[in-house]
Amino acid sequence: ETGVTQSPTHLIKTRGQQVTLRCSSQSGHNTVSWYQQALGQGPQFIFQYYREEENGRGNFPPRFSGLQFPNYSSELNVNALELDDSALYLCASSSAGGPYNSPLHFGNGTRLTVT
Amino acid sequence: AQTVTQSQPEMSVQEAETVTLSCTYDTSESDYYLFWYKQPPSRQMILVIRQEAYKQQNATENRFSVNFQKAAKSFSLKISDSQLGDAAMYFCAYNGQGGSEKLVFGKGMKLTVNP
Repeated sequence: ETGVTQSPTHLIKTRGQQVTLRCSSQSGHNTVSWYQQALGQGPQFIFQYYREEENGRGNFPPRFSGLQFPNYSSELNVNALELDDSALYLCASSSAGGPYNSPLHFGNGTRLTVT
Repeated sequence: AQTVTQSQPEMSVQEAETVTLSCTYDTSESDYYLFWYKQPPSRQMILVIRQEAYKQQNATENRFSVNFQKAAKSFSLKISDSQLGDAAMYFCAYNGQGGSEKLVFGKGMKLTVNP
């Protein structure tokens, strides 16, 4: 089975620009979660998608948005980039039922740098 | 809101020795789940061990075990027979009730294993 893949690996953007990050879920998984990991910090939950619908959101502004497609792959879009958006963005896929019953499988992340 | 605290930013251990990583958390919920994740330089978060608060028995996974003290809201990870491949960032995480995928992570701890 293929794991979770994220693209691109690294990305450099300018403040005010928009960015799209992509994530392919592990085969058989219908739930995708996105996390932001700032340097020296633990990951912070951005949102979760289940069967193409947002199903939970963390404390992030509306300029962070997402999509989940019928094949359960996902995108994270960030508009009007700010310097503080510089971070590692992690995608995790799972089956429904919560992280205990259906462990999250993480990708290797996208490192976003905003200058 | 739930919080997770890892007060030791770094630890080191000699190969084949035992090390204990500490974690405390704050919550008003009665049932929840706790996790330890490992993040090697590849950046992929890997589940090490999980514990359901409802279960009093401490979880074990091969060389990894936890000491779960619910009243003290403490969840420490013990690594026995440390190996060079155990070197990584370790994150303690909390998942509350309701089936949400949201994990609340601590800031992490860097473990160095000395040969």
